Amino acid sequence: EILLTQSPGTLSLSPGERATLSCRTTQSVVSSYLAWYQQKPGQAPRLLISGASSRATGVPDRFSSSGSGTDFTLTISRLEPEDFAVYYCLLYGDSPLYIFGQGTQLEIK
Amino acid sequence: QVQLQESGPGLVKPSQTLSLTCTVSGGSISSPGYYWSWIRQPAGKGLEWIGRIYSGGSTNYNPSLSSRVSISLDTSKNHFSLQLTSVTAADTAVYFCARGDYSKPDYWGQGTLVSVSS
Repeated sequence: EILLTQSPGTLSLSPGERATLSCRTTQSVVSSYLAWYQQKPGQAPRLLISGASSRATGVPDRFSSSGSGTDFTLTISRLEPEDFAVYYCLLYGDSPLYIFGQGTQLEIK
Repeated sequence: QVQLQESGPGLVKPSQTLSLTCTVSGGSISSPGYYWSWIRQPAGKGLEWIGRIYSGGSTNYNPSLSSRVSISLDTSKNHFSLQLTSVTAADTAVYFCARGDYSKPDYWGQGTLVSVSS
């Protein structure tokens, strides 16, 4: 079974700063099968990016993703106040079909 | 735009069966190419995929839950359902339903809290 590890667990930054969130897999995976979600308290996760680097409808272009093999990154170029939330990576795998990372809490410094 | 809404009992007794329904609006549950998932999240913890059903009716389950899970479609009511048997306190969580393509869920319901307690 492939495992996903997100780091850091918590990231403390200020608005305007750049955020870099990591998602590592225990086996090399197809990058187009990696997606990123944002979740705010009391809300459902929101799809941000999928298919390697395609932003979902309405997602600002300050969100981008990159990576290949086992190392993937979500970057937020300039943090806005509404960006502080928990971020999850998701892999479309084999068994189970969908595997979530444990999440990165992005908090205001 | 498609919308999903979970419904069902908020409290289930240990050893009983958890049953939830996800009602879909703004789209047909039988439209080809869509997968309808259940995902859960214990309080303060991460997301766990439970299983999914294709618009044609085939299912996939998380192996960790597969012996207790069943997901079904009701095209006449445009909803799909989750049954989880023999629940314990460890099944207490917010349960989300979601629609997606083969590789990821994209539209999610708001979630419903299910507590397992006597």
